[in-house]
Amino acid sequence: GAVVSQHPSWVICKSGTSVKIECRSLDFQATTMFWYRQFPKQSLMLMATSNEGSKATYEQGVEKDKFLINHASLTLSTLTVTSAHPEDSSFYICSARDFRGAAGELFFGEGSRLTVL
Amino acid sequence: AQSVTQLDSQVPVFEEAPVELRCNYSSSVSVYLFWYVQYPNQGLQLLLKYLSGSTLVESINGFEAEFNKSQTSFHLRKPSVHISDTAEYFCAVSEGSVNDYKLSFGAGTTVTVRA
Repeated sequence: GAVVSQHPSWVICKSGTSVKIECRSLDFQATTMFWYRQFPKQSLMLMATSNEGSKATYEQGVEKDKFLINHASLTLSTLTVTSAHPEDSSFYICSARDFRGAAGELFFGEGSRLTVL
Repeated sequence: AQSVTQLDSQVPVFEEAPVELRCNYSSSVSVYLFWYVQYPNQGLQLLLKYLSGSTLVESINGFEAEFNKSQTSFHLRKPSVHISDTAEYFCAVSEGSVNDYKLSFGAGTTVTVRA
């Protein structure tokens, strides 16, 4: 199946710094990627839809200036957590749709765990 | 808007025993239902899905789920589990269009299979 890769898998940073997480589709082109956030023992919550060549679409309640999304190519979307604070610590997961496959299927990255000290 | 409830957060089970993971959803329109599995240190993988047609759907590794519209449920079952089935399982719902990828996920169920 299609492969989506995230980097880094783990990141620890100091409060106030910015962290960039990459999401790559390794064997297909993805015009649309999705970013989710997952707190321990809770659901994945959609944060934003990343669109290649245009602005991301953010879900209600998600600060677009806090979570910067850039989808500069058909295989790469980045999520930058700006001026991170401890409450931003979470598991961030991206996904992408492979148009070669059956309708209704998304491929997910391995996730990136962010810990802000 | 839809929501998904996975009734069991943790399910310990012995090898070769059956397992059922419960999933209920709330939605006022037609829905598309999914089960994803996440093995340790890996991404989510699609296990099976209901889009239309037969309400009983099966995966290649022995799991099955049945869409029950009257009970708004999509429970996942396997008659005999293996150690390798130890993983986190997520139920997800998409409403309105099969191409609408705004999935709503349940909180997940951790299945731990013991010998």
